[in-house]
Amino acid sequence: AQSVTQLDSQVPVFEEAPVELRCNYSSSVSVYLFWYVQYPNQGLQLLLKYLSGSTLVKGINGFEAEFNKSQTSFHLRKPSVHISDTAEYFCAVSRHLTQGGSEKLVFGKGTKLTVNP
Amino acid sequence: DAGITQSPRHKVTETGTPVTLRCHQTENHRYMYWYRQDPGHGLRLIHYSYGVKDTDKGEVSDGYSVSRSKTEDFLLTLESATSSQTSVYFCAISGAPQNYGYTFGSGTRLTVV
Repeated sequence: AQSVTQLDSQVPVFEEAPVELRCNYSSSVSVYLFWYVQYPNQGLQLLLKYLSGSTLVKGINGFEAEFNKSQTSFHLRKPSVHISDTAEYFCAVSRHLTQGGSEKLVFGKGTKLTVNP
Repeated sequence: DAGITQSPRHKVTETGTPVTLRCHQTENHRYMYWYRQDPGHGLRLIHYSYGVKDTDKGEVSDGYSVSRSKTEDFLLTLESATSSQTSVYFCAISGAPQNYGYTFGSGTRLTVV
């Protein structure tokens, strides 16, 4: 079965600084990859996803992520963060099923990003 | 999120009472899920459904049951609430294939006293 590891539970940064939130996965087969964001007292919303094609994926709010198959990583980046980016970020993975059907997503435990003025 | 609503948004209940949370969707999606979110644990899957009357257990299903008699509604019942079930509960939906991503509801904050 696949698993997801978010390497940092908390990441504090200053406003306008760059940020990288790290995500590694384990799977013996090809995967789909996702980043979700959860603002305080809200549900999760999709930031971006990788299904196939270009390994650099652009999402909402200026975020992007790069799929690295050899390193089994899908790190999330933003070149300049704002106070409003303060939220919890979740990485998720699911496996391709070549024989048909589909699989549930597996979520990491989340990374809390705090952007300070 | 648009197309998925959870009710109630907040609930306080006493230990030992039954509680039912509702998830309603207008997207006609096949898959529906119930998660709980607790500090340090991330999201944990309680139960999920892959069609009307078709449900299965997730990783933390003890003390919970679900029902799905219509495509649009997925009910989560705490048969006899305990303080350990104090949590934020999220419903999610997905079309097919389900691994193309989920849409989440806004959550229900449940406190068991």
